[in-house]
Amino acid sequence: GQSLEQPSEVTAVEGAIVQINCTYQTSGFYGLSWYQQHDGGAPTFLSYNALDGLEETGRFSSFLSRSDSYGYLLLQELQMKDSASYFCAVTNTDKLIFGTGTRLQVFP
Amino acid sequence: GAGVSQSPSNKVTEKGKDVELRCDPISGHTALYWYRQSLGQGLEFLIYFQGNSAPDKSGLPSDRFSAERTGGSVSTLTIQRTQQEDSAVYLCASSSPGTGIYEQYFGPGTRLTVT
Repeated sequence: GQSLEQPSEVTAVEGAIVQINCTYQTSGFYGLSWYQQHDGGAPTFLSYNALDGLEETGRFSSFLSRSDSYGYLLLQELQMKDSASYFCAVTNTDKLIFGTGTRLQVFP
Repeated sequence: GAGVSQSPSNKVTEKGKDVELRCDPISGHTALYWYRQSLGQGLEFLIYFQGNSAPDKSGLPSDRFSAERTGGSVSTLTIQRTQQEDSAVYLCASSSPGTGIYEQYFGPGTRLTVT
């Protein structure tokens, strides 16, 4: 079977740093993506890791360890607008397989 | 440029009726995907079109679901004899040949409610 596990919910305060973990078990793996989805909105692409290591894009960074089937999204200098759901997704041949998402709530 | 558009934005239908959902991808994007998202859940892959190749229908949950893509652009997802468990948000996404399938651009979705 194929599964991606993420925490269901994470809370943090403005200005803090939060890490959202994702472990996966899939048949076939090309890379790990992260998407953000605000309530009622469409998912938007944040980052992609095909190789082990850290990718940084502004306040957001994403990490991948292929040997551990593990990745994380790191959000720094949290802002209220970062309150959203975050999904990891495995690239598997011709499709993305999404996790169930982590709801991040940022408090003032 | 214009993003992915979907219509209708909301659809309420009675159980047993057929519905058609439309997706207009970003111009030049050769790949098109349909997903289903139930309340508070992740995205469930339904079907994938790439150019003129045969679509990957492996995610369609039953033979009541079908999709087509005309002229390599607009796609229609059809659900026949709708059931209450079909109630969900149906999302369409497209991606360009340059970035691959990992970076997909999503439309706003169609919220389907089956009563």
